[in-house]
Amino acid sequence: ETGVTQSPTHLIKTRGQQVTLRCSSQSGHNTVSWYQQALGQGPQFIFQYYREEENGRGNFPPRFSGLQFPNYSSELNVNALELDDSALYLCASSLVRGGRGYTFGSGTRLTVV
Amino acid sequence: QQQVKQSPQSLIVQKGGISIINCAYENTAFDYFPWYQQFPGKGPALLIAIRPDVSEKKEGRFTISFNKSAKQFSLHIMDSQPGDSATYFCAASLAGSYQLTFGKGTKLSVIP
Repeated sequence: ETGVTQSPTHLIKTRGQQVTLRCSSQSGHNTVSWYQQALGQGPQFIFQYYREEENGRGNFPPRFSGLQFPNYSSELNVNALELDDSALYLCASSLVRGGRGYTFGSGTRLTVV
Repeated sequence: QQQVKQSPQSLIVQKGGISIINCAYENTAFDYFPWYQQFPGKGPALLIAIRPDVSEKKEGRFTISFNKSAKQFSLHIMDSQPGDSATYFCAASLAGSYQLTFGKGTKLSVIP
């Protein structure tokens, strides 16, 4: 049984650019959630996808968008990058919708310069 | 508005000692309270979780104590080991909610 894998592990982008982060969910998990973890802070909920539809969203602007594919993998897209978007982006998969039973990936460290 | 407040921010404990991390919450509708452990360069991993109808839950060296009236819960790590050195996050969620609300984390260092 494989865990949650995220790619790339590190990324440097310039302010104003766009970025796509990828996540493969744990085998059998049909729900994917994305979190942003700023340095020294706890993770903040961005949104959750269930069966290819956005299932809930945190307090993030529309330039944060996502997709879930039929194999339950997911992408997080961020447009018009700002310096404050620099963070660790965590993907978590689960068997059920909601905030329980998460398995987190190791994250993508995004640096915006 | 931070809904889960965690303390202390950092903690140094001698090997073999007891590590205690505290969290307080505001929303009485929260009904699930997990603790996560995060090592550098890794994502958080679920350690132990509790529901508000239980006052204490123990798994190995890790114990959650829950005080519903005070709206507080804590993680106790018995016989702390250097391998326990990590950042610990408390969290909470509502039934039917899509998200976990995390505290800001406690960096634990266990010294030999």
